[in-house]
Amino acid sequence: AQTVTQSQPEMSVQEAETVTLSCTYDTSESDYYLFWYKQPPSRQMILVIRQEAYKQQNATENRFSVNFQKAAKSFSLKISDSQLGDAAMYFCAYRSIIQGAQKLVFGQGTRLTINP
Amino acid sequence: DGGITQSPKYLFRKEGQNVTLSCEQNLNHDAMYWYRQDPGQGLRLIYYSQIVNDFQKGDIAEGYSVSREKKESFPLTVTSAQKNPTAFYLCASSIGPLPGYGYTFGSGTRLTVV
Repeated sequence: AQTVTQSQPEMSVQEAETVTLSCTYDTSESDYYLFWYKQPPSRQMILVIRQEAYKQQNATENRFSVNFQKAAKSFSLKISDSQLGDAAMYFCAYRSIIQGAQKLVFGQGTRLTINP
Repeated sequence: DGGITQSPKYLFRKEGQNVTLSCEQNLNHDAMYWYRQDPGQGLRLIYYSQIVNDFQKGDIAEGYSVSREKKESFPLTVTSAQKNPTAFYLCASSIGPLPGYGYTFGSGTRLTVV
């Protein structure tokens, strides 16, 4: 079974600076999807960014980008120019492409604090 | 607007009672999921359903039950057999055989045993 590990329970960063959240995963599959979700204090889960393992190019969405290292099974999230609204829990998640096994597997989460 | 509606937002249960959490979606998604969220443990899968009238156990199904009689609805019952039901419950849906689209989540139900 796939597992996802986020080794940083908490992180903090000064406003306008850059922060990187770590995520590693374990799988024997060659193609799959990886996601980062944000959960602000409202607790609504919001999709931040996605990456298909088949694609070597790292995904980017505005101030959010990933560093996908397939061989190392690492999928870190970089947030540039941090804003107060970025404060939230961030979850890394894995999704298989195998029919019938496509449920999302989540890491434990990283709580990100933005210091003004 | 399309989305997922979970109700109620807060729910209190007495020891020994069954309670049902509602989850309704108007996204025409085939697959629906229930997750439990506890501090420090991320989201753990309780049950999921990929089509109407079919569902599978997730990682922590003991003490829970579900039904999927309609495509739009996937209610979760927390039974008295669930020893530690106090948690935040999230319902989600996805298009189905398109894993790249991730999930759409509801806003959650906070269940507290009193």
